[in-house]
Amino acid sequence: LAKTTQPISMDSYEGQEVNITCSHNNIATNDYITWYQQFPSQGPRFIIQGYKTKVTNEVASLFIPADRKSSTLSLPRVSLSDTAVYYCLVGDSTSGTYKYIFGTGTRLKVLA
Amino acid sequence: DTEVTQTPKHLVMGMTNKKSLKCEQHMGHRAMYWYKQKAKKPPELMFVYSYEKLSINESVPSRFSPECPNSSLLNLHLHALQPEDSALYLCASSQAGWGQSNYGYTFGSGTRLTVV
Repeated sequence: LAKTTQPISMDSYEGQEVNITCSHNNIATNDYITWYQQFPSQGPRFIIQGYKTKVTNEVASLFIPADRKSSTLSLPRVSLSDTAVYYCLVGDSTSGTYKYIFGTGTRLKVLA
Repeated sequence: DTEVTQTPKHLVMGMTNKKSLKCEQHMGHRAMYWYKQKAKKPPELMFVYSYEKLSINESVPSRFSPECPNSSLLNLHLHALQPEDSALYLCASSQAGWGQSNYGYTFGSGTRLTVV
């Protein structure tokens, strides 16, 4: 059972900022939050990772509130090539075995 | 080298065939993973090798047999598959050993498997 919840899909226009939120109420104390991007028939690609507060790199920002029960991936000024599925990944230890499970992901469609 | 390389990229096999998928990484990563992904679904974890030992088998049918010959190589041996096993098979690796921390995975581009 996936431990993350994301919106199923989002549409945006080129040049806009896109924010995708992930809910992870049972995140482990020592776990990081990692976001991946996946294009059709390709493997997921690492975008960004964080533990708390804010992380920024050349492609995205990640905002994590103090309680760490959610996170928001922010993509500034999206283009058509950002159309993809975006997954957030955190650990899951509820079954007694620590593992990382992909949630359903968010299908982002960028329109011209 | 910062990549995970998977071969072949495409594979068509009959239900009586035996084939193998190969995955290679030269980043010194200590854990390697096999995932299965059906169309429009998220990747599903199949196997985890940590320090060359099988750590996780997610109740995968025995017609899938993983092998880790050394720290850089991971194979998935396929035998007597069913059409419903057709999917994208992804290999990934991570710097830390299994369960130590989530420092992020590096994924290969996958093998598109079709069982006829």
